[in-house]
Amino acid sequence: DAKTTQPNSMESNEEEPVHLPCNHSTISGTDYIHWYRQLPSQGPEYVIHGLTSNVNNRMASLAIAEDRKSSTLILHRATLRDAAVYYCILRGHSGGSNYKLTFGKGTLLTVNP
Amino acid sequence: DAGITQSPRHKVTETGTPVTLRCHQTENHRYMYWYRQDPGHGLRLIHYSYGVKDTDKGEVSDGYSVSRSKTEDFLLTLESATSSQTSVYFCAISVEVNTEAFFGQGTRLTVV
Repeated sequence: DAKTTQPNSMESNEEEPVHLPCNHSTISGTDYIHWYRQLPSQGPEYVIHGLTSNVNNRMASLAIAEDRKSSTLILHRATLRDAAVYYCILRGHSGGSNYKLTFGKGTLLTVNP
Repeated sequence: DAGITQSPRHKVTETGTPVTLRCHQTENHRYMYWYRQDPGHGLRLIHYSYGVKDTDKGEVSDGYSVSRSKTEDFLLTLESATSSQTSVYFCAISVEVNTEAFFGQGTRLTVV
């Protein structure tokens, strides 16, 4: 399975933008890049996903490098409720085992008031 | 919120007893997953299903079995619970392989 690499932790201030990086140098052409987050004592929550083009939704933006070997999750204005562990996951399009949604250790985001 | 319900939410059981956790969805999603989460290990996939009666093992399947006789229900069974299976268990569902997954609220299982 293609793997991702994320920093263990990051810190941000409230109301400032946050850029969470993810490296996935072994990504295959059919892998989607998914981001999830997990708030304390809750199940993981879907944030955003994309294939090649940058994506925006109400929660965040996803910037994907042209060679697709890295991506960045952007929270435009961090709030205290954004403090969570953020997971970057590669998910296969079809066949094999890549649709299993395999979690790594993620990035623990701390937001300071 | 996605219609996904885990039951029970909390359970304490004794070593050696069988335990079944239930995941119920009202979304008619094809894919269903069982994960466990432990401190220091993060989320690990136990079993998953890609259709009725179609299941496969994840990375930590030993000691667990699953069944999916209906689209809406995915059962996780610990045939003989051990203390190492004390964990928080999460169920997830998704429409297709490349779409977002929705997670349940979790079941906290303690084996004493």
